[in-house]
Amino acid sequence: DAGVTQSPTHLIKTRGQQVTLRCSPKSGHDTVSWYQQALGQGPQFIFQYYEEEERQRGNFPDRFSGHQFPNYSSELNVNALLLGDSALYLCASSLTTGWNEKLFFGSGTQLSVL
Amino acid sequence: QKEVEQDPGPLSVPEGAIVSLNCTYSNSAFQYFMWYRQYSRKGPELLMYTYSSGNKEDGRFTAQVDKSSKYISLFIRDSQPSDSATYLCAMTSGGSNYKLTFGKGTLLTVNP
Repeated sequence: DAGVTQSPTHLIKTRGQQVTLRCSPKSGHDTVSWYQQALGQGPQFIFQYYEEEERQRGNFPDRFSGHQFPNYSSELNVNALLLGDSALYLCASSLTTGWNEKLFFGSGTQLSVL
Repeated sequence: QKEVEQDPGPLSVPEGAIVSLNCTYSNSAFQYFMWYRQYSRKGPELLMYTYSSGNKEDGRFTAQVDKSSKYISLFIRDSQPSDSATYLCAMTSGGSNYKLTFGKGTLLTVNP
C-alpha cells in the first residue's frame, strides 16, 4: 500500500520564479493538507483541500495556491518566489471522518530559492 | 507568545534511559494532542494522539496531558538508538478546525 508520495523531492529556483509541487494521497484518503517546514521549525499549516475545494487556509499570502483533482491528488503552487520560501513542503493526507487525528505525511519536497 | 512552546534541545541520552519530552500551550481551545516523530529528511510520523487529560500508553511510549496546566508530555521507556529523531508535539481544537499547530520539535539522540 503506497503511502503519501510527493514530487519532486528537491527543487532549486530563483527569486521571482513560480513552482508547482505535487502530492498523491495514501490510498483511500480523500483529504490533502499542505504544510511548510522551515529549518529548525515545526510544520506550519498552509491549507487543506477536500472535495476539490480549499476547506481551510492558514496564514499564508495569496502567492500560495493549490488545487485538488478528482482522483484526490493535489498541487501546491507558489508564485513570485522569495528567499524566505525556502523550506521543506509537506503534504499530508487523511480520511475525512472527523478531525485529523490520523494525518499521514509524505517525505516532502525540499525547495531552495536562490 | 507562541501558541505552542517546545524546547528544541538537543537532548542526548544513553541507551535504555527514560526520555521525557514536553510542550506547553496557551490556547485553551486545543482539545486534541498528538506526538509525531520525524527522522532526518523524512516526513513526520504519528506516534500518539489523545484528547483527554491523563495518560495514554502504547508500548514504550506514554503520552500525558494536563489541560489545567496546558502541558503535555511524551515519555519513552527503554530508549533505543532507533528512537533518535526529532519529536514534534501538535494540537488542534478539532471540530471545523482542520489545522494542526506544531511545536518546534525536540532533537533526541540515543547513544549506544
